[in-house]
Amino acid sequence: DAGVIQSPRHEVTEMGQEVTLRCKPISGHNSLFWYRQTMMRGLELLIYFNNNVPIDDSGMPEDRFSAKMPNASFSTLKIQPSEPRDSAVYFCASSLRDILPQPQHFGDGTRLSIL
Amino acid sequence: ELKVEQNPLFLSMQEGKNYTIYCNYSTTSDRLYWYRQDPGKSLESLFVLLSNGAVKQEGRLMASLDTKARLSTLHITAAVHDLSATYFCAVDIRNYGGATNKLIFGTGTLLAVQP
Repeated sequence: DAGVIQSPRHEVTEMGQEVTLRCKPISGHNSLFWYRQTMMRGLELLIYFNNNVPIDDSGMPEDRFSAKMPNASFSTLKIQPSEPRDSAVYFCASSLRDILPQPQHFGDGTRLSIL
Repeated sequence: ELKVEQNPLFLSMQEGKNYTIYCNYSTTSDRLYWYRQDPGKSLESLFVLLSNGAVKQEGRLMASLDTKARLSTLHITAAVHDLSATYFCAVDIRNYGGATNKLIFGTGTLLAVQP
């Protein structure tokens, strides 16, 4: 049974470049979450979607960050332009929003380094 | 603003010993999750606690929830090296509509079990 799939696993790019992170949630899950993990700030929720609709983007740090979910099986997180302080591990997670709460299932993450 | 605090932040313990990790949160919630993260890896769901007094056990780990005290504990019994990892608690934010499925993660507890 496939879990949450993220790509790329690693990304190294120069400051100012556009970065696109991709996520495929678990089939049947109707909630999708983007997190950022750093040593200084821990695990932070950036944005989440229910049924492909963005519900809360209050964690998105700046206008340089944007996220989309064009269908139930795909989401992107874009940073444009990227800055060194964006370097972090970005996780995508999905869950089934149902009567009984379900845990979020995390992907393996994208380790992003901005030089 | 919801705060989720864990202590200790770092725990070094010997194999065979018992210890408890504490998770305190600052607002009303009746849904709490525990996750495990191995170095450089994703987060793995351990427990979902849904009500006051809930207790869940899996192997050498036991989690409990006291919603009145806004406290959850993760108890480790007779620790073994394989339990070495970072453990996170996460609290589901509630609003006027009930639980939101939006999680705020604690700071994490790095557990190192020494042989």
